[in-house]
This record gives sequence, structure tokens and C-alpha cells, in this order.
Amino acid sequence: EDKVVQSPLSLVVHEGDTVTLNCSYEVTNFRSLLWYKQEKKAPTFLFMLTSSGIEKKSGRLSSILDKKELFSILNITATQTGDSAIYLCASDTGGGSQGNLIFGKGTKLSVKP
Amino acid sequence: DTEVTQTPKHLVMGMTNKKSLKCEQHMGHRAMYWYKQKAKKPPELMFVYSYEKLSINESVPSRFSPECPNSSLLNLHLHALQPEDSALYLCASSQVTGRTYNEQFFGPGTRLTVL
Repeated sequence: EDKVVQSPLSLVVHEGDTVTLNCSYEVTNFRSLLWYKQEKKAPTFLFMLTSSGIEKKSGRLSSILDKKELFSILNITATQTGDSAIYLCASDTGGGSQGNLIFGKGTKLSVKP
Repeated sequence: DTEVTQTPKHLVMGMTNKKSLKCEQHMGHRAMYWYKQKAKKPPELMFVYSYEKLSINESVPSRFSPECPNSSLLNLHLHALQPEDSALYLCASSQVTGRTYNEQFFGPGTRLTVL
């Protein structure tokens, strides 16, 4: 059975800290791994990773994929209170051509002032 | 327009009611999705439409009936729901390039309460 596992499930840090969120996956027909940030409602797209070892960056956020070890990390540097959210990792299982996303349970990040 | 919009934002319905959730995008995306998200849980895929055709139905009960009238619109018709169907219903869309489905963009969701 395809699955995505995130760790830790929750994390409390102070502003300015650097955090690393982990995501491992076991997927039969892996196509891509995606990171989303969810605050109150809709998940907001952060990154899509398809190739191993290529870091993607957006401001203070960065992510990398290791297809050999089947995991990805999301780094947030110089955290701010606005980074408080649930970070979801999802794998697109492909299954041919459909965009079938399987989500992990998420990491709840709380950034304290 | 780079948004996925959903209406209504909130919906309260009885178990005998019939209602519909609506989703719209004008990004030219050819795949659209319905997800169900319970509190403190990740989204769970319900339906995928690809080029206005239903391509995945994740064994969803028939009291949920999706409809894709055109490439920009996606509806979810609700009938005879149960209280356990109360959840946040998320719509998403993605571009399709050849056989590749690109990243999904989510709407704000409809918070559904079934009494």
C-alpha cells in the first residue's frame, strides 16, 4: 500500500530558528513529491520535486528530494510567526497518468515570538 | 486569474436535503479534483476529472455525485448525507502536459456540516 510519512507531527520553535521537516514515502509508481502549507483553509503549493539532489528554493524555504532513500526534507530558515501552519507532504502516485496525490499526516509547526 | 474559487464557504444541511458545492478555475487547467478533509487529518482524494471525464473515483459513496459541466467548472452534488460526512471539501486543479499532471492548486474549501 502506498504511504507517505511525515515527522515530526508537531514542532514548536522560536522566531529566528531553523527547522527541518521530514517526509518519507513508499509509492509504487512515484512521479513527484509535493510540499504544501496549510493555515486555516486551502493548502498552498510550495514545491514540486521530481529529481534527486536538486534543491528548490523560495525565499527562506528550500526542499530537496532523495529518490534513492525515498525521502524529502523541507527547510525553513529564520522562522517567523507567519510560518506557523501545517506543512503537508504528498506524493503523486501517477498510476498511469492521473494526478493521484497521497498526503502525509502533516507537521504542525508553531513559531513563537 | 490564478485562483480556484469555491462556493459556498459554509454549508449546513439536514440529512434529507439536496445541495451542491461549486468550484471554478480560469487557469486553463484540464484536471480538477475533489478532496475531503476531516479535522486534523490530511486531505483525502474523492474524484479526479481529466478533460471533463471522470478518471478516478476513490470508492466514494453514491450520495456524493460529481459533475464537470465544462473545463472550468466542477460541481459536487450532495444527497442524503450523514453527520460523519461533515468536513472541509476542497477543490483543486492542475495543468496537464501530455500525460503529466502538474502541481495542484487548491481552492479555499467549503466547510460542510450535516445535522
